[in-house]
Amino acid sequence: DTEVTQTPKHLVMGMTNKKSLKCEQHMGHRAMYWYKQKAKKPPELMFVYSYEKLSINESVPSRFSPECPNSSLLNLHLHALQPEDSALYLCASSPRGTGVYGYTFGSGTRLTVV
Amino acid sequence: KNQVEQSPQSLIILEGKNCTLQCNYTVSPFSNLRWYKQDTGRGPVSLTIMTFSENTKSNGRYTATLDADTKQSSLHITASQLSDSASYICVVRSNNAGNMLTFGGGTRLMVKP
Repeated sequence: DTEVTQTPKHLVMGMTNKKSLKCEQHMGHRAMYWYKQKAKKPPELMFVYSYEKLSINESVPSRFSPECPNSSLLNLHLHALQPEDSALYLCASSPRGTGVYGYTFGSGTRLTVV
Repeated sequence: KNQVEQSPQSLIILEGKNCTLQCNYTVSPFSNLRWYKQDTGRGPVSLTIMTFSENTKSNGRYTATLDADTKQSSLHITASQLSDSASYICVVRSNNAGNMLTFGGGTRLMVKP
């Protein structure tokens, strides 16, 4: 298995809802990442988990809460989002936290906040 | 500040034609450079990865070059196909403590029949 799988592919949620994005990989990668991408812009790093520990939080608002239950899974819990949070959310993984050997990206979750 | 600049921002070519996309970077210290293809609404897919000592690397109809002295890279697409229509993103990794990636703004390529 050489893929990063993200679910759901599309999500529409209200500003008072609580939802979660899921990411899974079975390549034995020990670093996992969440990126946010607005239309026609490059991805922006949100969080980095290295060996299941949060190593980087790029000053992301607390309405986004990451979780890494084990080395294969990465979740992003969403609560009280704003319409401007609508974007493509990408998960990525790499063999180690240094990212030397390349990143594998998932197909993303298209989030719309209404 | 680490930066990656890509040109052109957008490009329209006819099917079967060749094209070259450019990437200039100021990331230091340099570790490696990747070219990704991203279809609209999908995740980026790696095309090539190049380290300091590599000048040219090919992946099918895609050929990437790297000049580490001038800090420039290019991606050449040969005999373009309609399915090549996508954004092409240059991403540079630095060897600093954070080992983070710096993304270019991408080139949006449209191949027309």
